[in-house]
Amino acid sequence: SQELEQSPQSLIVQEGKNLTINCTSSKTLYGLYWYKQKYGEGLIFLMMLQKGGEEKSHEKITAKLDEKKQQSSLHITASQPSHAGIYLCGADIGRYGGATNKLIFGTGTLLAVQP
Amino acid sequence: GAVVSQHPSRVICKSGTSVKIECRSLDFQATTMFWYRQFPKKSLMLMATSNEGSKATYEQGVEKDKFLINHASLTLSTLTVTSAHPEDSSFYICSVEKLYGYTFGSGTRLTVV
Repeated sequence: SQELEQSPQSLIVQEGKNLTINCTSSKTLYGLYWYKQKYGEGLIFLMMLQKGGEEKSHEKITAKLDEKKQQSSLHITASQPSHAGIYLCGADIGRYGGATNKLIFGTGTLLAVQP
Repeated sequence: GAVVSQHPSRVICKSGTSVKIECRSLDFQATTMFWYRQFPKKSLMLMATSNEGSKATYEQGVEKDKFLINHASLTLSTLTVTSAHPEDSSFYICSVEKLYGYTFGSGTRLTVV
């Protein structure tokens, strides 16, 4: 079965600092999603990556998928308190090959941003 | 994209009772929906895949008789936590698969006392 490991598990940064969260898969990724969540609330979709080497940016957040499609990173520039929350990477399982599609999540990264 | 409504947003129930959580796809006919569970400050764990008109597919380790899933129409899937106990207290969230991605409900916080 496919597993997604995120690092770090938790992170505290000063406001204005940059940070990176990593997501490593045990198998090739066919679709990699990044979500943000505050516990007890719904998920906020950030970005989806599919192609090896792909990079997408939205506001101060940039996500990349490596060429081998087994690792993704999420980079936040000049962090703000509004960036605090749980960041989750998700992998699309079975979208290709006829198997039932489903989305599994990484272990999560808890981000705190200190003013 | 699909709009997903989940109800209730929070519920408190007594041990031994059953609780039903609804997940509605408001503008998309969903043949497949997903149910996740989340513990405090932890990631989302996929519990089961809800299939319209057929039995749900449960992930390994998830008790089928404890978490009953019904997907009777293309717009509604329900998760019933039967004979709830305090250890079932958690955040439950549903998801709808669309053509290129997934949309999530706002979640249900279940507290069993």
